Amino acid sequence: DAKTTQPTSMDCAEGRAANLPCNHSTISGNEYVYWYRQIHSQGPQYIIHGLKNNETNEMASLIITEDRKSSTLILPHATLRDTAVYYCIVRVADSGGSNYKLTFGKGTLLTVNP
Amino acid sequence: GAGVSQSPSNKVTEKGKDVELRCDPISGHTALYWYRQSLGQGLEFLIYFQGNSAPDKSGLPSDRFSAERTGGSVSTLTIQRTQQEDSAVYLCASSSRWSGSTAQYFGPGTRLTVL
Repeated sequence: DAKTTQPTSMDCAEGRAANLPCNHSTISGNEYVYWYRQIHSQGPQYIIHGLKNNETNEMASLIITEDRKSSTLILPHATLRDTAVYYCIVRVADSGGSNYKLTFGKGTLLTVNP
Repeated sequence: GAGVSQSPSNKVTEKGKDVELRCDPISGHTALYWYRQSLGQGLEFLIYFQGNSAPDKSGLPSDRFSAERTGGSVSTLTIQRTQQEDSAVYLCASSSRWSGSTAQYFGPGTRLTVL
């Protein structure tokens, strides 16, 4: 899987949009971009994923650049409960091999301030 | 709908005792995974079940660890003769099938403390 690079930490004011960047310059054409988050002492939570097109769900939006070398996770109206470590990972789309084993890097610690 | 559930949420045991951790995946999910996460560390893959296929046990750290999945649904992770280094949060995840295009959904985890 392609390597990803994220800032170590970010701050956001409550109620404002949180924009979390991720670089994945070596991504292959058949690799998806996934975002998870982990709130302290809880299990990882799936947020969103995409291949080429921008995606939106009830939690967030995922903006992928045209060259697919970077992406941004957008939490439109951050709340205090969104304070967590956010992980950006890329995963090969096919079902071969053993690439079902998820691994997280260090992620971005997002702190939402009142 | 209901997510992945795990029990117990916390388990404190004495060194040398056996423990069983349970995972109830999302209904209809054929793929089930066990991971563990030590304090401040990343995810460590343990085992993967997919339907009726033989499980991938390559991540189990020793023969004290075993897991089964009955009826293609509930899974139990058993640790025999627990050691202090087994202390960690044990996470279960499930997905509708294995593919890089499908997400793994995690349970809340079981925090195991071996005294």
